Amino acid sequence: RKEVEQDPGPFNVPEGATVAFNCTYSNSASQSFFWYRQDCRKEPKLLMSVYSSGNEDGRFTAQLNRASQYISLLIRDSKLSDSATYLCVVRYTGKLIFGQGTTLQVKP
Amino acid sequence: DARVTQTPRHKVTEMGQEVTMRCQPILGHNTVFWYRQTMMQGLELLAYFRNRAPLDDSGMPKDRFSAEMPDATLATLKIQPSEPRDSAVYFCASGWTGEETQYFGPGTRLLVL
Repeated sequence: RKEVEQDPGPFNVPEGATVAFNCTYSNSASQSFFWYRQDCRKEPKLLMSVYSSGNEDGRFTAQLNRASQYISLLIRDSKLSDSATYLCVVRYTGKLIFGQGTTLQVKP
Repeated sequence: DARVTQTPRHKVTEMGQEVTMRCQPILGHNTVFWYRQTMMQGLELLAYFRNRAPLDDSGMPKDRFSAEMPDATLATLKIQPSEPRDSAVYFCASGWTGEETQYFGPGTRLLVL
């Protein structure tokens, strides 16, 4: 079983749709949580950190449930430019552990 | 705009050849990470340095891979001898101990024939 699991998708949604990605992690001692974005043939880039209280950055909302070891990302009003792979990431003892990623394709 | 740089960006080689990949972390960063990304396995951590000292290389096949930091501005990942199953994108990332964000380089795309 992978330490960080995500539905690989792809999620194909129309512009303007709301889409949600979920992720589970196995190590209850994980310390920090993130969503990274990776465009095709590019490097991963930090999208946002994830906190138990929930946090929002424009159209993006991230949520952490430590009890269930579950992380989510909600994207509202999807844009064509949101098309990418979204990587769920946990940090443990200074190392980042990546999920396989969920691919999002936003269509006109 | 400070960035992590990696060379070469692309490498095609034949099985059995030595491959050396280089990374220049962002100036002032004291942590360096090497990752490998494949379709099957996703992003895997190979090695992790802090203040140039190797902290964790448990993800790295020891028989053929080696990672070093000759100085604070250069990290290297070497494969000798290379095998077709080493074909992947190798990313270097750097960061600062007090900050959780890692900044990735553009990667080296390696194809071993």
